Amino acid sequence: ETGVTQTPRHLVMGMTNKKSLKCEQHLGHNAMYWYKQSAKKPLELMFVYNFKEQTENNSVPSRFSPECPNSSHLFLHLHTLQPEDSALYLCASSQTGARTGELFFGEGSRLTVL
Amino acid sequence: GQNIDQPTEMTATEGAIVQINCTYQTSGFNGLFWYQQHAGEAPTFLSYNVLDGLEEKGRFSSFLSRSKGYSYLLLKELQMKDSASYLCAVYGNNLFFGTGTRLTVIP
Repeated sequence: ETGVTQTPRHLVMGMTNKKSLKCEQHLGHNAMYWYKQSAKKPLELMFVYNFKEQTENNSVPSRFSPECPNSSHLFLHLHTLQPEDSALYLCASSQTGARTGELFFGEGSRLTVL
Repeated sequence: GQNIDQPTEMTATEGAIVQINCTYQTSGFNGLFWYQQHAGEAPTFLSYNVLDGLEEKGRFSSFLSRSKGYSYLLLKELQMKDSASYLCAVYGNNLFFGTGTRLTVIP
C-alpha cells in the first residue's frame, strides 16, 4: 500500500453539489494536512490536524469543511463551491516532532467545478 | 506573514549542473525543505536544512544561510528524469511553499 492515498483522483461537480474528498495514511503519523494547488500559485495550506484536533484553519471559506475522525483518516467535505475552487487538492501527513515539516503527500484529487 | 521567492522556470542540459535559488521572509524559522514534483504526481521530499551550510545527498545538495534568508538546491549530472518542479518550503509554525521552479532538462 502506498503511504498516503486519496480518493477520488478526479472529481467534477456543479456549484450546487455536495461531495467529499477522502484521504488515508498508512504511515502511523499523527498529523494530517489539506493543501490546495492551483496553477502558477504556491501550495496553499488549508487545514492541519494533530492527533485528530484541528490546529490550523488558514482562513478557508466555510464551503470547505474538514473532518478528521482518527489519525489515519481525513475528509474534505465540499458544498456550494465556486469555479475558482477548481484545483488539485493534496493531502499530506507527518510525524509531529520528527523533523517536523517533512510531509508525505498523496497523489491528489483533481477537482473541477462547473 | 510568509514570502518565499524562487524562479518560475529554468532550463539546463543533460549532464550539467543547475542551481535553483530560494529567498524567504517568514515569521519564525524551524527549517527549510526542498520537494520535487513531477507533473501529475505528488510532491516528494528531497532535502532538509535547519543549520547554515551545505547538505549533500548524492547528486543533490542544498545550502542554507539563515542570516540572508537564502537557500539553493544544486543538482549535478543532470538526467532527463530530473525535469520536474522544485518546491522550496519553509517551516515556521507550519510548512509554507514557494510557487516552485519548473526545471526542463534538454538533451
